[in-house]
Amino acid sequence: GAVVSQHPSRVICKSGTSVKIECRSLDFQATTMFWYRQFPKQSLMLMATSNEGSKATYEQGVEKDKFLINHASLTLSTLTVTSAHPEDSSFYICSAQRGPGRIYGYTFGSGTRLTVV
Amino acid sequence: KQEVTQIPAALSVPEGENLVLNCSFTDSAIYNLQWFRQDPGKGLTSLLLIQSSQREQTSGRLNASLDKSSGRSTLYIAASQPGDSATYLCAVRRVETSGSRLTFGEGTQLTVNP
Repeated sequence: GAVVSQHPSRVICKSGTSVKIECRSLDFQATTMFWYRQFPKQSLMLMATSNEGSKATYEQGVEKDKFLINHASLTLSTLTVTSAHPEDSSFYICSAQRGPGRIYGYTFGSGTRLTVV
Repeated sequence: KQEVTQIPAALSVPEGENLVLNCSFTDSAIYNLQWFRQDPGKGLTSLLLIQSSQREQTSGRLNASLDKSSGRSTLYIAASQPGDSATYLCAVRRVETSGSRLTFGEGTQLTVNP
């Protein structure tokens, strides 16, 4: 089945530093990937849609200069949290679709727990 | 704007019970609906995918139904087990295009007690 690999699973960083999270589709090509953020006891909030070879589309209220997304290949999208602050601490999850929507749903990565101290 | 609601928010049952989780959505113009399971601190695992033209999907002890016209879906879990304890999320998708987003419900936190 379709597998989306996300790394790292956990990261602790100091305030003011940047952190990069990788999302890879292991056995399929993904022209579009999605990045979500999840706060404790809450559902997923879509942050941005990552498109291979073009700029990401950000949701309203999400700072594009804060959350840099790069989708340089059909199997890799990265999310960089720049100048991280404690309020950026959260659970970040990526997802992608393997193939035609009528057959496949979305596959999610295992998530990254970011803690900014 | 599509809104997805899941009831109940939390559910605790003894092992062996059959149970139903509910999901409702405000805009019936959906392409498909997907049920996910999320364990604490983990990503989402897809359980069932129902296309808008389908009425139900089954996988093992899980059965999901879809009534698009009334904006409702149910996830039926038969003979629940402690290993079923997790948060269950439903999500709807509006269109087929690869950039089509999912709209998630808030989830139902299920606890199955031994």
